[in-house]
Amino acid sequence: AQKVTQAQTEISVVEKEDVTLDCVYETRDTTYYLFWYKQPPSGELVFLIRRNSFDEQNEISGRYSWNFQKSTSSFNFTITASQVVDSAVYFCALSEDRNTGTASKLTFGTGTRLQVTL
Amino acid sequence: DTGVSQNPRHKITKRGQNVTFRCDPISEHNRLYWYRQTLGQGPEFLTYFQNEAQLEKSRLLSDRFSAERPKGSFSTLEIQRTEQGDSAMYLCASSKSRGRGEKLFFGSGTQLSVL
Repeated sequence: AQKVTQAQTEISVVEKEDVTLDCVYETRDTTYYLFWYKQPPSGELVFLIRRNSFDEQNEISGRYSWNFQKSTSSFNFTITASQVVDSAVYFCALSEDRNTGTASKLTFGTGTRLQVTL
Repeated sequence: DTGVSQNPRHKITKRGQNVTFRCDPISEHNRLYWYRQTLGQGPEFLTYFQNEAQLEKSRLLSDRFSAERPKGSFSTLEIQRTEQGDSAMYLCASSKSRGRGEKLFFGSGTQLSVL
């Protein structure tokens, strides 16, 4: 069965520090999709990135970067020079290809709460 | 895009009462999803619609839960005879069908508290 593990429950950093959020997943499928979503205090989940299993290129978007390593089943997320506005709960999620014929049924991790202070 | 809208934002009810939540997806999004999120957990898939057809339901969705999407636009999620274990955030999401790992747009959710 598919599973997503985010071992870090809560991380606190001081503004301008770099921080990496870990995500480890389990799947038996060869084709799948990985996501990161941000959940600010307002509650709505905000899409950050999607990566399919055949694309192992790392990606950078501004202060955000993602490291996908199939060999270790990890999809880690790094925020460079963190800011107070980055404070939120971050979720990693997995969607298996066997499911996408019908729906984007995401399996979420338990989330990592990031607190950035001045 | 005005985003996915959910109403009410908060609902407090007594055990045994029925409640109904509404979700208005982004216009022209043909897929609509319901997820449930309990404290300290990630969202869990409940059900989804392709236009007006409900195509899949999770085992989490007991027979006390029913969802509809008449005319393929807004959706309602009803819980009958609520139990304390139903207390959770109910999230709605919508997407344009792509068939492969599409990006979901989530609403802010309805927080249900069953006393």
